Amino acid sequence: NAGVTQTPKFQVLKTGQSMTLQCAQDMNHEYMSWYRQDPGMGLRLIHYSVGAGITDQGEVPNGYNVSRSTTEDFPLRLLSAAPSQTSVYFCASSWGQSSYEQYFGPGTRLTVT
Amino acid sequence: GEDVEQSLFLSVREGDSSVINCTYTDSSSTYLYWYKQEPGAGLQLLTYIFSNMDMKQDQRLTVLLNKKDKHLSLRIADTQTGDSAIYFCAESKGSYIPTFGRGTSLIVHP
Repeated sequence: NAGVTQTPKFQVLKTGQSMTLQCAQDMNHEYMSWYRQDPGMGLRLIHYSVGAGITDQGEVPNGYNVSRSTTEDFPLRLLSAAPSQTSVYFCASSWGQSSYEQYFGPGTRLTVT
Repeated sequence: GEDVEQSLFLSVREGDSSVINCTYTDSSSTYLYWYKQEPGAGLQLLTYIFSNMDMKQDQRLTVLLNKKDKHLSLRIADTQTGDSAIYFCAESKGSYIPTFGRGTSLIVHP
């Protein structure tokens, strides 16, 4: 099992550009989520999904879109990048109902200039 | 106030014990966790405790839970330089997505 994979590892965008951060898991997990990590702020939940076709907003959803068309994939879209979105983004997955452990990907470091 | 609070830094000497503290606000939390993040990597679950437990020991790690004060601690015995990392406290209610604290950077001096 590859676990949770994220691409790209690093990305630099100009203000106003759009891009999609990819996340995939091969563990058949129901729950998937996106976090951003900023210095001194810990992890903040952006969006999450409790199964294919179901998504919901987290603490800081503005400026981001998600979809979950398959169990395996949970892409995060930035429609018009802003410098405030410079951060490290982590995708995580878990079994769901009976799970207590989240499995994290290695992260994507995004810089918006 | 924040849902999960923890101090930002802790510095210890190699071989000493480290104690990282955390407080949370939601008395209905079911699971409480400690995650570890090494430089440049994602988070990994270190240990967890159910809310009906007071203590859990796992090799060098001891987790203590005081439900009355909503206080969680992680003790690392015989701290090594390889333990240097950011430690996140988190809580969840059953199957809900956990809420994380800001993380405590543990620095271990030789």
